[in-house]
Amino acid sequence: QSALTQSASVSGSPGQSITISCTGTSSDVGGHNYVSWYQQYPGKAPKLIIYDVDHPASGVSPRFSGSKSGNTASLTISGLQAEDEADYYCSSYINGNLYVFGTATQVTVL
Amino acid sequence: QVKLVESGGGVVQPGGSLRLSCEASGFTFSNYGMHWVRQAPGKGLEWVAVIWRDGKKKYHADAVKGRFTISRDNSKNTLFLQMNSLRVEDTAVFYCAREGSGYYGSGTYYKAIDYWGQGTLVTVSS
Repeated sequence: QSALTQSASVSGSPGQSITISCTGTSSDVGGHNYVSWYQQYPGKAPKLIIYDVDHPASGVSPRFSGSKSGNTASLTISGLQAEDEADYYCSSYINGNLYVFGTATQVTVL
Repeated sequence: QVKLVESGGGVVQPGGSLRLSCEASGFTFSNYGMHWVRQAPGKGLEWVAVIWRDGKKKYHADAVKGRFTISRDNSKNTLFLQMNSLRVEDTAVFYCAREGSGYYGSGTYYKAIDYWGQGTLVTVSS
């Protein structure tokens, strides 16, 4: 159960768009649509923002969107805001029952 | 609203045991699969285990297999994690989390960890 690979950090200025990638294998990200994204502030529990590749969770800003191509999933944050500065994790089921998270991406708003 | 409250964390010596609990409220506990996820200090999220809604199936990560056991008591709306043979590298905040699932659109099934507790800290140290 190797962690999914994410870029360690991404930064952008307010109003810009940024994209975070998450690379796995055909057994996880590439094998189904059970791919989710989470936002985590320091010292807080993670919060679901995207499920099933591209479905925003309830109450989540439409500035967050997800997509997938092959074994790589992506999270795009449009109109970057200071409150978006956090750690972001992708996740996927492995063959339906096991679960794996990504290595985390730290988003910095310049 | 959905609420998950973990308890049972603390300091334990290497080789020791600890049992974590997670009390659920605000939803019908027996209708949902449940997970444990941990996060070592300054590190990323690591999936630990999942148990089906009826408790009949459970799966554990390779890193804890044979040492940790997930279980649940649906009559008490409580999830458990029995941790034995603890190692220094098990030091982490342990989160209890709910697995949401259902259908959308024209019948597409989805599932995802959708709600998390605030976590309980387990420190393994001599």
